[in-house]
Amino acid sequence: DQQVKQNSPSLSVQEGRISILNCDYTNSMFDYFLWYKKYPAEGPTFLISISSIKDKNEDGRFTVFLNKSAKHLSLHIVPSQPGDSAVYFCAASASRSSSNTGKLIFGQGTTLQVKP
Amino acid sequence: DAMVIQNPRYQVTQFGKPVTLSCSQTLNHNVMYWYQQKSSQAPKLLFHYYDKDFNNEADTPDNFQSRRPNTSFCFLDIRSPGLGDAAMYLCATSGGGGRRPHEQYFGPGTRLTVT
Repeated sequence: DQQVKQNSPSLSVQEGRISILNCDYTNSMFDYFLWYKKYPAEGPTFLISISSIKDKNEDGRFTVFLNKSAKHLSLHIVPSQPGDSAVYFCAASASRSSSNTGKLIFGQGTTLQVKP
Repeated sequence: DAMVIQNPRYQVTQFGKPVTLSCSQTLNHNVMYWYQQKSSQAPKLLFHYYDKDFNNEADTPDNFQSRRPNTSFCFLDIRSPGLGDAAMYLCATSGGGGRRPHEQYFGPGTRLTVT
């Protein structure tokens, strides 16, 4: 029972173009969503997040969109750079149904390759 | 720099031989997590500590235990490793509150091989 799914294992884009990474979830109790970025031999690092009360959050080149009715979120990277090449994990949390320990459910990740 | 440190980075153990993985943090966070990640799969939460309160996930095998002797350190003990326990083990911390309570800070992970 995978509550958070990233259906695209990999994505390849040209430098300067837009990268769009997608994530679907099934649990309607999720109210906070995060994207993490992972380089080889390093742990995941926090990238951007969004609360369920919003439908968009922007931070520089990174924008996350949330469509609650579709239980879908996406991460847009514009413009993409070769240094963005990494594995991107989507994660979700149901803060209302747990203690405030920030328990996260992760997707399986999408490997992004940005070609120069 | 404040950070999450995991030792060792690579661990090889024999089938059935107990092994301990270590995590330390300088962030003074009150929540610490252990995840298991197998190749091309999502990180899977094994358990977490909120201060000294231990929270085990329902599907975490009894073979996996954890200790948190103080705020800075947390250990993952695998009592009798099987071949299926070979994975990357990730330690993470969070502040448990504040503006972004769900933001977790990860260590680099320990790659466990079972022979």
